[in-house]
Amino acid sequence: SQQGEEDPQALSIQEGENATMNCSYKTSINNLQWYRQNSGRGLVHLILIRSNEREKHSGRLRVTLDTSKKSSSLLITASRAADTASYFCATPNTGGFKTIFGAGTRLFVKA
Amino acid sequence: ETGVTQSPTHLIKTRGQQVTLRCSSQSGHNTVSWYQQALGQGPQFIFQYYREEENGRGNFPPRFSGLQFPNYSSELNVNALELDDSALYLCASSSTSRIGTGELFFGEGSRLTVL
Repeated sequence: SQQGEEDPQALSIQEGENATMNCSYKTSINNLQWYRQNSGRGLVHLILIRSNEREKHSGRLRVTLDTSKKSSSLLITASRAADTASYFCATPNTGGFKTIFGAGTRLFVKA
Repeated sequence: ETGVTQSPTHLIKTRGQQVTLRCSSQSGHNTVSWYQQALGQGPQFIFQYYREEENGRGNFPPRFSGLQFPNYSSELNVNALELDDSALYLCASSSTSRIGTGELFFGEGSRLTVL
């Protein structure tokens, strides 16, 4: 089954720096989503990018999608300590009846 | 807040026991899916319910079963608990039957510990 795989597994940066996380997937998709999870909590949807879109912005978030390379990136600009969380990319499976999550990138932003 | 509520938030069971976890979906959402998330890993899809019927299942044994009620709330039942069932169980609701095409709204999860 197709699945997003995030890279790096963990990332530690200083407040104010930018954080970039990457996601690779295996088969064709019609959309890709990014979610955030604070430790031990539920996931929160951040952004959805469709296969015919190359870039999308939401506040300090910038997501790109390269369908030829089957990859996506999430950029968080001017990181804050409150951005400390795990970030997951998610893709629909073939048939689209379920959303599959990767293992996530754990971001730690030092104040 | 997403409007999706789960109960209980934490529970401890012993091997062989049975557990029922509950989820109230966001108003207007007719689709509920359940995920299992082990520590340090991503959520793993268990199954999805649409209008009270299971319409998608992940790689989980039959001792994982569920229900969806007319008000679209849902239950996850796990029989014959094993140590490896210890995890955070997440419920997510959506307004579309093809859940891979839209945003999921997650509850805060039920943390199950099996001793």
